[in-house]
Amino acid sequence: KAGVTQTPRYLIKTRGQQVTLSCSPISGHRSVSWYQQTPGQGLQFLFEYFSETQRNKGNFPGRFSGRQFSNSRSEMNVSTLELGDSALYLCASSLATGPTDTQYFGPGTRLTVL
Amino acid sequence: QKEVEQNSGPLSVPEGAIASLNCTYSDRVSQSFFWYRQYSGKSPELIMSIYSNGDKEDGRFTAQLNKASQYVSLLIRDSQPSDSATYLCAVNLHLGGGATNKLIFGTGTLLAVQP
Repeated sequence: KAGVTQTPRYLIKTRGQQVTLSCSPISGHRSVSWYQQTPGQGLQFLFEYFSETQRNKGNFPGRFSGRQFSNSRSEMNVSTLELGDSALYLCASSLATGPTDTQYFGPGTRLTVL
Repeated sequence: QKEVEQNSGPLSVPEGAIASLNCTYSDRVSQSFFWYRQYSGKSPELIMSIYSNGDKEDGRFTAQLNKASQYVSLLIRDSQPSDSATYLCAVNLHLGGGATNKLIFGTGTLLAVQP
């Protein structure tokens, strides 16, 4: 079974631009979560989508948004990029079975903001 | 107080030794706990999950959970140089009555296995 895939793998943008990252979950997985990883803050939860609805959201500004499609694929968007948005953005998918649900991570998208 | 705390290390152990990685968490309603391994420049890879008090073994790995002490650990037996990586402890906060996913990660412990 194919794992979580993310595109693009690397991205370079300039301040003020916007960016869209894509995530395809493992087949059959219905929940998709997004995380930001930086050297200073570590891994931080951005948001989770299930059945095309955002179920939970982390403490990030409104510039960070996402959506999920009917086939469970998800995208996240960052508008008005800032230098501090440079990070590894990770997508994780899970079956959404309840308290024992396990998330599996994709390879990530490395975003550099200049 | 951070929600999930780990010693950042580095933890250096000789090849063949037991590596012991520890994690404490602050939220008593947490229900599921995970250990992920992350090699430099790569994404986190699931090593172990544990949901009930006690020990859970999988090959060279043993996870231990003590909910009363809000403590979870990972033991790696017969450590190999290939085990050198950052080990991330993660706690899943299940919110409300539904099954939502919000992993809270510790900062990770860097393990170095010396040949």
